[in-house]
Amino acid sequence: TQLLEQSPQFLSIQEGENLTVYCNSSSVFSSLQWYRQEPGEGPVLLVTVVTGGEVKKLKRLTFQFGDARKDSSLHITAAQPGDTGLYLCAGARTGTASKLTFGTGTRLQVTL
Amino acid sequence: NAGVTQTPKFRILKIGQSMTLQCTQDMNHNYMYWYRQDPGMGLKLIYYSVGAGITDKGEVPNGYNVSRSTTEDFPLRLELAAPSQTSVYFCASSFPHLGAGGYTFGSGTRLTVV
Repeated sequence: TQLLEQSPQFLSIQEGENLTVYCNSSSVFSSLQWYRQEPGEGPVLLVTVVTGGEVKKLKRLTFQFGDARKDSSLHITAAQPGDTGLYLCAGARTGTASKLTFGTGTRLQVTL
Repeated sequence: NAGVTQTPKFRILKIGQSMTLQCTQDMNHNYMYWYRQDPGMGLKLIYYSVGAGITDKGEVPNGYNVSRSTTEDFPLRLELAAPSQTSVYFCASSFPHLGAGGYTFGSGTRLTVV
């Protein structure tokens, strides 16, 4: 059973376009993280959100944690080729120490 | 800082062979984890450890074993390799509270069992 579903699975866009990636679950998470992974490398942490309704911005990336702490979104404004990669959301459920459950991933390709 | 170091980067095993995937971290993280990543399936937790001498099973532990004799090292042992264990394996480490920085991952070991 996959606790975290991401959509879309694949996204191919041109430079300058905006996009949103969604991460949904029926479970409540105490915190949620977003990672980006490039080919041949491990995932790298982008952001951690812990409060329901929280919004964090990282340059052109905006992350939001749902009010009920069951879902999250990642919005990229004016995408650039350097944004290309696999985006993973990951949630920590209450009482599970720091064990993360990872989403299925969204593969983003940004072309010139 | 080196962060999390995994060796080897690539390995081909024959069915029934055994091997150990090495993982070491130099960030003094208490927690360490092993995940496997299959195409289109995200990352699945194999084993984790909250400190030296303490390990516990994750979501997919069958066919694997771990040990944690020091804070720095967390090797993953595959006994009697099977084709279903063909995957990319990632080791990660963290502090107990994820708000302190999340996971730091190694660059992975790509294992093929033939």
